[in-house]
Amino acid sequence: DARVTQTPRHKVTEMGQEVTMRCQPILGHNTVFWYRQTMMQGLELLAYFRNRAPLDDSGMPKDRFSAEMPDATLATLKIQPSEPRDSAVYFCASGRGQGRDNEQFFGPGTRLTVL
Amino acid sequence: QKEVEQDPGPLSVPEGAIVSLNCTYSNSAFQYFMWYRQYSRKGPELLMYTYSSGNKEDGRFTAQVDKSSKYISLFIRDSQPSDSATYLCAMTPNSGYALNFGKGTSLLVTP
Repeated sequence: DARVTQTPRHKVTEMGQEVTMRCQPILGHNTVFWYRQTMMQGLELLAYFRNRAPLDDSGMPKDRFSAEMPDATLATLKIQPSEPRDSAVYFCASGRGQGRDNEQFFGPGTRLTVL
Repeated sequence: QKEVEQDPGPLSVPEGAIVSLNCTYSNSAFQYFMWYRQYSRKGPELLMYTYSSGNKEDGRFTAQVDKSSKYISLFIRDSQPSDSATYLCAMTPNSGYALNFGKGTSLLVTP
């Protein structure tokens, strides 16, 4: 069945290292979202794309985070350099549109630990 | 103040109890209201989706929206241990792509 996939599922890295997370949205979905979830802040929207174009990345720390969609089947989120405060679960979600069509389907998440 | 407020709990109930989960919001432009369920170490999954005010029922789950009070609820009847999860409310305006999420309420249903 159709689902959002994310890799890696777990990542442990040291402070200062580059981290790349990947997401494959559901085929036919043209809106892709990146979220970060922590106990303290809950689910935070980092950035999202519509038809591969970035619509909003205001939730993302610009100096170290970057998000791209090289093609319709791949979205990436990079952190460079990583810091311990970036430790969180990062979710990718995809959807078909806005309003009534704004049901978002979430991937299993990437659990990131920065030492 | 966040646009969507949700009591984080935890909420612990015995099996078979009726559970009431709630969210309040401040943006009157919100038109679509959703409840997501998130099991431990999993991604959120959509449970209920309602438009504007009113009730929607699906099996043991009922979603209510009161736009005049800016208040939404999710009721779970005959709760089961398998309902133990975190429940997140989410909402969006008519012309929005992004969902505004509450922080989630942790529910534990004990046998």
